Amino acid sequence: GAVVSQHPSRVICKSGTSVKIECRSLDFQATTMFWYRQFPKQSLMLMATSNEGSKATYEQGVEKDKFLINHASLTLSTLTVTSAHPEDSSFYICSAPSGAYNEQFFGPGTRLTVL
Amino acid sequence: AQTVTQSQPEMSVQEAETVTLSCTYDTSESDYYLFWYKQPPSRQMILVIRQEAYKQQNATENRFSVNFQKAAKSFSLKISDSQLGDAAMYFCAYRSAGAGNNRKLIWGLGTSLAVNP
Repeated sequence: GAVVSQHPSRVICKSGTSVKIECRSLDFQATTMFWYRQFPKQSLMLMATSNEGSKATYEQGVEKDKFLINHASLTLSTLTVTSAHPEDSSFYICSAPSGAYNEQFFGPGTRLTVL
Repeated sequence: AQTVTQSQPEMSVQEAETVTLSCTYDTSESDYYLFWYKQPPSRQMILVIRQEAYKQQNATENRFSVNFQKAAKSFSLKISDSQLGDAAMYFCAYRSAGAGNNRKLIWGLGTSLAVNP
């Protein structure tokens, strides 16, 4: 199956700093990628849909100026958490569709801790 | 808007036994896909099984099978011969069909499955 990677897997940062998370499709091209946030023992919450070469589509309630998404190539999308605060601490997961059914293949996730 | 409901926050099963996880959904669409995803403690999301709404035949993948009842909008997952490695969160998800790869998944809240040795 298709493989999606994320980097870093874990990051700890100080409050007020910015953090960039990369999502890569390793063996396929992805014009669309999805960014999720997941709190412990909860479901996935879609934050935004990343579109290669155009602006991301954000879900209602997600601050686009705080969660900057850039999809600069067909294999890479980045999520930058700007001016991070402790409440931004969470598990961030990306996914990309591939195959005949456009199934979503998921990255392994990034655990962000903001001190 | 579509919704997905998983009414069992937690389930447990004895090793080698069979367990069924329930999922219901609401939609006015006639063509869509339904999925079961597994999220083990590593938190890597893994696709377990997929069902296309226009197919009456229930999908099966080895020990995993579904009972898809379109009229009742029900999509349960049966795990046979449960193994310790099946312990995980299981999420039911819905996606509209049609062209384009930007159709988002609608997620249930998940069911935590414990497998007892």
